Amino acid sequence: AQSVTQPDIHITVSEGASLELRCNYSYGATPYLFWYVQSPGQGLQLLLKYFSGDTLVQGIKGFEAEFKRSQSSFNLRKPSVHWSDAAEYFCAVVERTGNQFYFGTGTSLTVIP
Amino acid sequence: ETGVTQTPRHLVMGMTNKKSLKCEQHLGHNAMYWYKQSAKKPLELMFVYNFKEQTENNSVPSRFSPECPNSSHLFLHLHTLQPEDSALYLCASSPTSTAGNTIYFGEGSWLTVV
Repeated sequence: AQSVTQPDIHITVSEGASLELRCNYSYGATPYLFWYVQSPGQGLQLLLKYFSGDTLVQGIKGFEAEFKRSQSSFNLRKPSVHWSDAAEYFCAVVERTGNQFYFGTGTSLTVIP
Repeated sequence: ETGVTQTPRHLVMGMTNKKSLKCEQHLGHNAMYWYKQSAKKPLELMFVYNFKEQTENNSVPSRFSPECPNSSHLFLHLHTLQPEDSALYLCASSPTSTAGNTIYFGEGSWLTVV
């Protein structure tokens, strides 16, 4: 069955530290890949997406993500976290032959001063 | 401010009430979606409309009734809900519902069923 796994339910980092949020998927072919962020009480905002080409994609707010086909992963990174990055982060995939988004269960990020 | 607006932001209703959630998108998109977000669960797709036609009903109970009068507006009519239906309901839109389109979310409507 298709699935999206975000193995870290909750992560705490210090402000200024680097961040990596993990995302793994199980599909036969490379899907379209997305990262969304949800601040408390808000909807989901698109951070970045991967469709094809360069496996390192840049997004908004200083985030980037790297697609690794061999690992079926699409991990989100940020070199220096800001307190305003505290939020819930969701990885999502869409099969190239389908149209439905499959979301992970999310990773909650806490940033400490 | 997003291009997808949802009202009301918060709704408390009894199990015998009838209420509606409204969504409006200002992005010129042709596909609209309802998702349900419950704590610690993946977002659940409920309904998809593409060019005003319903193309997906993800085994949603009949107490949830969607309506899409045009490509810019989407409603979710609620009646005789259960406490377990309490959740954040997210509306979203995309250019069309085909693969490869990014979906854009509204801020959600918090629903509490008492």
